[in-house]
Parts: sequence; C-alpha cells; structure tokens
Amino acid sequence: QVQLQESGPGLVKPSETLSLTCIVSGGSIWGSYWSWIRQPAGKGLEWIGRIYSSGTTNYNPSLKSRVTMSVDMSKSQFSLRLTSVTVADTAVYYCARGGLGGPPDPWGQGILVTVSS
Amino acid sequence: DIQMTQSPSSLSASVGDRVTITCRASQGIRNDLGWYQQKPGKAPKRLIYAASSLQSGVPSRFSGSGFGTEFTLTISSLQPEDFATYYCLQHNSHSLTFGQGTKVEI
Repeated sequence: QVQLQESGPGLVKPSETLSLTCIVSGGSIWGSYWSWIRQPAGKGLEWIGRIYSSGTTNYNPSLKSRVTMSVDMSKSQFSLRLTSVTVADTAVYYCARGGLGGPPDPWGQGILVTVSS
Repeated sequence: DIQMTQSPSSLSASVGDRVTITCRASQGIRNDLGWYQQKPGKAPKRLIYAASSLQSGVPSRFSGSGFGTEFTLTISSLQPEDFATYYCLQHNSHSLTFGQGTKVEI
C-alpha cells in the first residue's frame, strides 16, 4: 500500500524559507492529488494545499502568497516551499495522498519544523 | 472559504457510552466530508469518507451521517482505544477546511 515519508530541516530561521519533501512509496505518484497539512503544537489541523501529478495546484488562501508546491515524477516525490516564515509557522507538517474526490489518506508520520533564530 | 463548525470542542464520556460529534458547514458541501481520529503524537487516521462510508478496517461502532450542511460522527459504544481527538474535513471546495476538533476524554 502507499506510504509517505516527510523529510527536511527541523529548524528554520525566521524570514527564511521552509522546504520539505514527501517521498511516495508502494504506489505511483501519477494520477493522484497530494496534500500538505500542518498542526501547531496543541492546536488543530490546517490544510496548506494540494498538487496534482501534472503540477496543478490549489493553495489555502491564507498561505497562498508564501506557498509553492512541486512534484518530481522521476523521484516519486512532491515538495513544499513556504517563504518568509515566522514563529507562527512552527508546526508538525504532514503530507498525504488526496484532497480532491475524497479526504486525504494515507498520511505520512509528520515532521516537526521549528522556526527559531 | 467554507467554514466548518465542529461541536462540542471536548466531551467526557465513559466506556460503553454513545457519543455524537457534529460538524456544520457554512454552505452546502453535498457529502464531501470525512472524519479523522488523532491520538497524541500520531498522524490523523481516516475513519469515514463521503460522509457515511466506513474506511476499511475501522470498527463498525463508528458511523457517519449527513448531507449538505449538517454532519454527525457517532460512536455507538465507546471503547478505551477511542479516547482521542476527532476532526471533520470538507473537500468540496478548492480550499479544504477542517473542523476545530473534538477531544473525547474519560
């Protein structure tokens, strides 16, 4: 079955760019939507955006100006870039399959990203 | 944006109790709704999709209902492993939104 694994730096400085990658295994990245979701400690879930295997994207309006997603079919992975980060962007970031036609499933285990100088 | 209002934010219950959690959408979303269970330190687990379809492997004591703007997750007989936080998620619009979550405590 499809498995997802997030990777990237666990610490990012304020005003810099957060970059994460999600590696997809056990299935093809082609023909599906892929989402990023985050969760600050002790708080609820926030959908960041989704990307189709063709590269079509939809972003959360509240983050749209700072978010870019991309997909690399050859490496079976997709990526998230969030620019100009602040401490408010500190969260566990999850990647997941889906976001169109059905609620995302499965999810990766999540990666904690802390924004601090 | 479609707003999802989930209630209650928390509840206390006992093993064997029937538990009901509600999500209300700010506009009609057909049945484009899922329910998730999250335990501390873990990724959310999908329980229900299409408002009322049970995810494979999920116990039948979990059920979902609703269409349009009002949705319900019911646990018919609460088990010790069900103490967790539950979230609804709408995927009808181009921007997905979660409910605020319901923490089910002993």
